[in-house]
Amino acid sequence: AQSVTQLGSHVSVSEGALVLLRCNYSSSVPPYLFWYVQYPNQGLQLLLKYTSAATLVKGINGFEAEFKKSETSFHLTKPSAHMSDAAEYFCAVSAFNQAGTALIFGKGTTLSVSS
Amino acid sequence: GAGVSQSPSNKVTEKGKDVELRCDPISGHTALYWYRQSLGQGLEFLIYFQGNSAPDKSGLPSDRFSAERTGGSVSTLTIQRTQQEDSAVYLCASSFKGADTQYFGPGTRLTVL
Repeated sequence: AQSVTQLGSHVSVSEGALVLLRCNYSSSVPPYLFWYVQYPNQGLQLLLKYTSAATLVKGINGFEAEFKKSETSFHLTKPSAHMSDAAEYFCAVSAFNQAGTALIFGKGTTLSVSS
Repeated sequence: GAGVSQSPSNKVTEKGKDVELRCDPISGHTALYWYRQSLGQGLEFLIYFQGNSAPDKSGLPSDRFSAERTGGSVSTLTIQRTQQEDSAVYLCASSFKGADTQYFGPGTRLTVL
């Protein structure tokens, strides 16, 4: 069965600092992995996805994530935080290694950015 | 183009009442998903429709929950005899058949008093 663990329910950084949000997965098959962002009172927006192509995935708003099979990790990074990055971030894995299946989400990490 | 829309955006109901939540997927998307987001449980999958196939109901928490999708488009999630623990944000998502990216609506915030 697939599962996702996000380490740290809350991360605080200063504007301009590196953002690192951690995600580890468990999967019995090669996974499809996703990062979504949720701004207050809004739905989820896809940041980036890994579907067995390049292990370093670039997404929107300057975010990227690296799939590391040996560490079962898919951490999200951004070199320089902006105030507008403050939101809740969710890591997710497809229930099966195929498209069109339900997503299994981590508990989420709230990112705060201070000036 | 238009995204996934959900209505109502907020719903307050009394314990024991039935509620219906509506989702309009992106035009052309054959797959539709319902998720529930609550403080205690995080984001949970509820049900999944793909075209005319039988839905995957494996995430529905009880038989008080049901969903239908008419004409392969609009979907309604019905909760009968609501309980306080049903209070949550209900999110709908859609995708093209066989596509891995799900597009989410803004959600319906349900409060059961």
